[in-house]
Amino acid sequence: QSALTQPPSASGFPGQSVTISCTGTSRDVGGYDYVSWYQQYPGKAPKLVIFEVIKRPSGVPDRFSGSKSGNTAYLTVSGLQSEDEADYYCNSYAGSINGVFGTGTKVTVL
Amino acid sequence: DVQLEQSRVEVKKSGEPLKISCKASGYSFSTYWIGWVRQMPGKGLEWMGTIYPGDSDTRYSPSFRGQVTISADKSIRNVYLQWNSLKASDTAVYYCVRLIYDYIWGSHWYFDFWGQGTQVTVSS
Repeated sequence: QSALTQPPSASGFPGQSVTISCTGTSRDVGGYDYVSWYQQYPGKAPKLVIFEVIKRPSGVPDRFSGSKSGNTAYLTVSGLQSEDEADYYCNSYAGSINGVFGTGTKVTVL
Repeated sequence: DVQLEQSRVEVKKSGEPLKISCKASGYSFSTYWIGWVRQMPGKGLEWMGTIYPGDSDTRYSPSFRGQVTISADKSIRNVYLQWNSLKASDTAVYYCVRLIYDYIWGSHWYFDFWGQGTQVTVSS
């Protein structure tokens, strides 16, 4: 089973928006509405920022939003702030109590 | 509060066995799946597998089946990740995660709490 494909990097100026894609297949991203996104700072454990495609855990700013179209899911960070600079990973359910992560995207705030 | 507590560092030699632990607290241990995620140096996250402590139902990612063993001890609220014979390529940070998954309905799939990670270093 192959990792989901994410762009290696994305960037934007403070206040702008950045959108990260996460492309899989009909056996994972396209087959289930169970895509989640994780933010990871260097040397730290990842943190959940979006689950079930569009839902935000309590405490996560509403600048973070998710969507999905076909086999590709998206994470959008609006109103970029310096603290949004981190690595972001998607994950999708892939059936049979198994999941798959994306390749990861480094977001830089210019 | 939900917490997943992991040992921080393990240093081993190739060929040695290793068992790392994840101690859960702050919730009903038997009714949530716990999973393991690998992150090799400078690389991305990889899903390894999961266990349901209530009945020890264990599922492995195809990439890790046969390479590691996941187990649980309900009496002390611990989940384990075990190797019989380490290789240098097992050098990585290993995170335990609480997995939200409803086995009855086959619904939900996300990791709401993460341990702080165990750094495993294997020298050849």
